[in-house]
Amino acid sequence: AQKITQTQPGMFVQEKEAVTLDCTYDTSDPSYGLFWYKQPSSGEMIFLIYQGSYDQQNATEGRYSLNFQKARKSANLVISASQLGDSAMYFCAMREGSNTGNQFYFGTGTSLTVIP
Amino acid sequence: GAVVSQHPSWVICKSGTSVKIECRSLDFQATTMFWYRQFPKQSLMLMATSNEGSKATYEQGVEKDKFLINHASLTLSTLTVTSAHPEDSSFYICSARDFTGSYEQYFGPGTRLTVT
Repeated sequence: AQKITQTQPGMFVQEKEAVTLDCTYDTSDPSYGLFWYKQPSSGEMIFLIYQGSYDQQNATEGRYSLNFQKARKSANLVISASQLGDSAMYFCAMREGSNTGNQFYFGTGTSLTVIP
Repeated sequence: GAVVSQHPSWVICKSGTSVKIECRSLDFQATTMFWYRQFPKQSLMLMATSNEGSKATYEQGVEKDKFLINHASLTLSTLTVTSAHPEDSSFYICSARDFTGSYEQYFGPGTRLTVT
């Protein structure tokens, strides 16, 4: 089974609108971390937001928030007030266990296009 | 935030030659580094986990004799693609774990390899 599933290959959003990028995960480990990365056309992976499995509140970082629904095993990324510079690939990732040296599992990504 | 560099950022080589890619943690010590491969419009696929002072652990299907990984110090890991073929053309990304144990792994900017 896939560890991370992103079902939206491509998304479009109007500038200044909010957009939700979906991510579901699969793990039996009670301790895990969920990450979202942005990859612009230049290729670098830019860390956006992190959610720990034991965190009680949804993570937020500026215009990014993570809608963490543990029972549903979903960790959707919400980008508010979209900007043209938000156009990029977005990857959801998971690290199982509490060891920060454990590997990441990446989803297949969502290509976001912000329309002016 | 922590910085990871990769060198070169892009390289073109002839089929049959070898290419070395460096991954450096610039302002922190990295006991563990990861090497990923990414084909166009696809996700990151983990190739191997590199631990300082020991042999790398390769993922299933990755040829260890073709993709030589050396992690000689706490700030440097190298990936050497030996006897490169056109099908080795890809985007190679490294990430490094901060020795102090923060939850993050920090990604390098990637190296684009083209084998002609």
